[in-house]
Amino acid sequence: GAGVSQSPSNKVTEKGKDVELRCDPISGHTALYWYRQSLGQGLEFLIYFQGNSAPDKSGLPSDRFSAERTGGSVSTLTIQRTQQEDSAVYLCASSFMWRNQPQHFGDGTRLSIL
Amino acid sequence: KQEVTQIPAALSVPEGENLVLNCSFTDSAIYNLQWFRQDPGKGLTSLLLIQSSQREQTSGRLNASLDKSSGRSTLYIAASQPGDSATYLCAKTQGGSEKLVFGKGTKLTVNP
Repeated sequence: GAGVSQSPSNKVTEKGKDVELRCDPISGHTALYWYRQSLGQGLEFLIYFQGNSAPDKSGLPSDRFSAERTGGSVSTLTIQRTQQEDSAVYLCASSFMWRNQPQHFGDGTRLSIL
Repeated sequence: KQEVTQIPAALSVPEGENLVLNCSFTDSAIYNLQWFRQDPGKGLTSLLLIQSSQREQTSGRLNASLDKSSGRSTLYIAASQPGDSATYLCAKTQGGSEKLVFGKGTKLTVNP
């Protein structure tokens, strides 16, 4: 497909479980971003990958959150020992590596922690 | 602290009306500003991106302006249509980082 693909589209899990969210960026985009959208906080930056550089992890809310990007393409966001406050929509975006390139978003994963 | 503010939070207009959505930001060290629309249950669709050296960008019925000195951007929608109903978000990047800082959006309803 031509757009950013995220899976699953919905995830319901019990508190304390680990979850993995997947993002497949647009082909040729070397920059990849994760954001979180929740009712009270709006859209918040989580982490940013750019080529082979060290990722910018400054938005990760706790050490339960981690992300990796394999082969410069697909990325996985992992949340360990989920808490109810982790319930949100997790959005992935990608862009070309040059400055001033628009970020293109996937439809997100809606995560619900019971 | 809210770095990007969008007012109003919601707006309802009749079809055919021209309208302006507002976005203000607290730090003038902006690198670029991007406008998005979000439909319910969907991700964000990029509408326009204005670089800090630019004053406006246009796409079809949309025109976005940027005034760094006053810390404001506006999105002008001409001849609004019911299909324009969505939440509109503005987001900025600042020098040295590509991460977007978002406002909380304006929910627009265009009534037939």
